[in-house]
Amino acid sequence: YVLTQPPSVSVAPGQTARITCGGHNLESKGVHWSQQRPGQAPVLVIFYDSDRPSGIPERFSGSNSGNTATLTINRVEAGDEADYYCQVWDSTTDHVVFGGGTKLNVV
Amino acid sequence: EVQLVESGGGSVQPGGSLRLSCVASGFDFGSYWMHWVRQIPGKGLVWVSRVNKDGTTTDYADSAKGRFTISRDNAKSTVYLQMNGLKAEDSAVYYCVRDDTGAFHNWGQGTLVTVSS
Repeated sequence: YVLTQPPSVSVAPGQTARITCGGHNLESKGVHWSQQRPGQAPVLVIFYDSDRPSGIPERFSGSNSGNTATLTINRVEAGDEADYYCQVWDSTTDHVVFGGGTKLNVV
Repeated sequence: EVQLVESGGGSVQPGGSLRLSCVASGFDFGSYWMHWVRQIPGKGLVWVSRVNKDGTTTDYADSAKGRFTISRDNAKSTVYLQMNGLKAEDSAVYYCVRDDTGAFHNWGQGTLVTVSS
C-alpha cells in the first residue's frame, strides 16, 4: 500500500496550510498524522482521521474522504514549520505504512 | 508522564549484530503493542516491526524479516530489537513507539545505528 504526500507546502504566517495524503480507497482506513520538528522525535497531532491528542492545539484538524486525507493547520505559526507524515495500517500485509512526508515551510 | 528511552545503538561493521532496548515508564506497559520505526537522517519514517501485548505475535517489514527479532519483557517494561546481519542500509535512527489502539501516541528520542566498515 502506498501513501503519497507532496514534498513541500509553503504558507505565510497566519494563513491556512493543507497537507494531503493520497492512497487507494484511503477513506476505508484510519489515518494518523505526526509532526516532526528538526532534530526532534515525531509527535502525534491527529489520529483516526480527525481526533486530536490532548495538548495539540485546536488549530490542527484532519479529514479523510475518497482517496485523500488532509491535515489542516489554521493560523499557521513559525513553530509549525516541520515535517508532517501520514500513516495507516495495511491489513493486507499487516504492515504500518508511512507517507513520504511533507515539509511545511512558513514563509 | 509517558517516557520511552532507547539505548544500544552505535557503530558496527557490516554483518555484525546489535540489540536495541527501549525502557518504558508512565503507563501500563503490558497493555500496549510496541513498535520500532527507523529514519535515515534527512529521510522519511519507515516502520520496522511490532510486538503484541504479551510478546506472542510479531510482524516485520520485508527489510527486517529474517534478520531482526522484536521481543519484550513486561516485567522490565522493556522492548528489544535484536538486529543481525546488519547492512549499510540499516544505518538510521531507531525509534521505539507506543501503539494506543493503532495510533502512535508516544515516541522515544531514538538511538543511532551506524553500519560501516
